[in-house]
Amino acid sequence: GESVGLHLPTLSVQEGDNSIINCAYSNSASDYFIWYKQESGKGPQFIIDIRSNMDKRQGQRVTVLLNKTVKHLSLQIAATQPGDSAVYFCAENTAYNNNDMRFGAGTRLTVKP
Amino acid sequence: DAGVIQSPRHEVTEMGQEVTLRCKPISGHNSLFWYRQTMMRGLELLIYFNNNVPIDDSGMPEDRFSAKMPNASFSTLKIQPSEPRDSAVYFCASSRDTYNSPLHFGNGTRLTVT
Repeated sequence: GESVGLHLPTLSVQEGDNSIINCAYSNSASDYFIWYKQESGKGPQFIIDIRSNMDKRQGQRVTVLLNKTVKHLSLQIAATQPGDSAVYFCAENTAYNNNDMRFGAGTRLTVKP
Repeated sequence: DAGVIQSPRHEVTEMGQEVTLRCKPISGHNSLFWYRQTMMRGLELLIYFNNNVPIDDSGMPEDRFSAKMPNASFSTLKIQPSEPRDSAVYFCASSRDTYNSPLHFGNGTRLTVT
């Protein structure tokens, strides 16, 4: 029979373009958010985090934006490279859950050379 | 910095056998987590420890699963008896603090139960 699995959103970009990956979260009490990158055969790798008292944070080639009003998180990758091809997860955490981190389904980013 | 170390990387076993997965967290981290990843359900938290004490095991599927953390540098996840539906990638992660601290993941153990 047909297997049913998570349908990962996909994003395909040209090398050198900017990428924007979006994430909606549901818990309005969440106050700490993280983006992870997972390459094939590896565990999720920490990219950048943001606390709820901020709406923007920048790292090396990456920027995370947080919109608490609409419970939306985004990851922007500047000058996307082939090595950026991976599945990207957002994760949320609340003090109430004491570091019980919940992950989204993920978005698959493919970078075309 | 060695990172989180998991063993084995791959495990193939027959239904009914006992399986033990191992994890060495990053030194100095006081929280440890076991996750399971499948295509059907994504990343699921199974259990987490703080200072070697299990805090939340509500994600453990059933009594066939058990986890221990005898000291700050070692944890095991045991499945007994294993079933084909347990086939998945099992990740261990650790974090420095209990809150507002990113998790650092190992590279996982891919378990196949035939």
